[in-house]
Amino acid sequence: GAGVSQSPSNKVTEKGKDVELRCDPISGHTALYWYRQSLGQGLEFLIYFQGNSAPDKSGLPSDRFSAERTGGSVSTLTIQRTQQEDSAVYLCASSFPLGYSGRPPDTQYFGPGTRLTVL
Amino acid sequence: GQQVMQIPQYQHVQEGEDFTTYCNSSTTLSNIQWYKQRPGGHPVFLIQLVKSGEVKKQKRLTFQFGEAKKNSSLHITATQTTDVGTYFCAGPSNNAGNMLTFGGGTRLMVKP
Repeated sequence: GAGVSQSPSNKVTEKGKDVELRCDPISGHTALYWYRQSLGQGLEFLIYFQGNSAPDKSGLPSDRFSAERTGGSVSTLTIQRTQQEDSAVYLCASSFPLGYSGRPPDTQYFGPGTRLTVL
Repeated sequence: GQQVMQIPQYQHVQEGEDFTTYCNSSTTLSNIQWYKQRPGGHPVFLIQLVKSGEVKKQKRLTFQFGEAKKNSSLHITATQTTDVGTYFCAGPSNNAGNMLTFGGGTRLMVKP
């Protein structure tokens, strides 16, 4: 596709349930990021994948959060035993490889996000 | 750790008035990027500044990178209702790789 896609666009779940959020980055983008954005707030970094390197998980708020990236492309963010405070929009972004010629380095292309509501 | 701060958090302006948001980093940046997020939308890349003292314009938007490469500003001349949204600045994180540290954003509201 032309841009980063995320699914589902909306997810309503009950407290204590597990959820999986999916991100399809732009083809050729080796870097992938997950952010969380609460209503009216800024971007909270969660996790960063770069190629085959070990992901940077420094932003994950608790061990209930985990993410995988299979085959260097699609990524899944999993939240176990969801809590009401997990309610937010989860944004995925991807970027070209570091040093890719002809593009501004580090520019991130965001998907439309998944709005998660935990009841 | 590295911090990127933006002021103000919120700004209400009357349509036609000018608007400025300021971005300050705790560390020197190799580049600064600006993103715009419309209400209900996702952040979209606007521009990148690389050189010390660089000024770039996009129609009514003027972006500036400070001489010390630690601060930046976005100025909008004669705001329009289409300018409504949150403007984020971002700079490369201290970590290696492509990571960015985003500022908290400035939410612009324009009264018609």
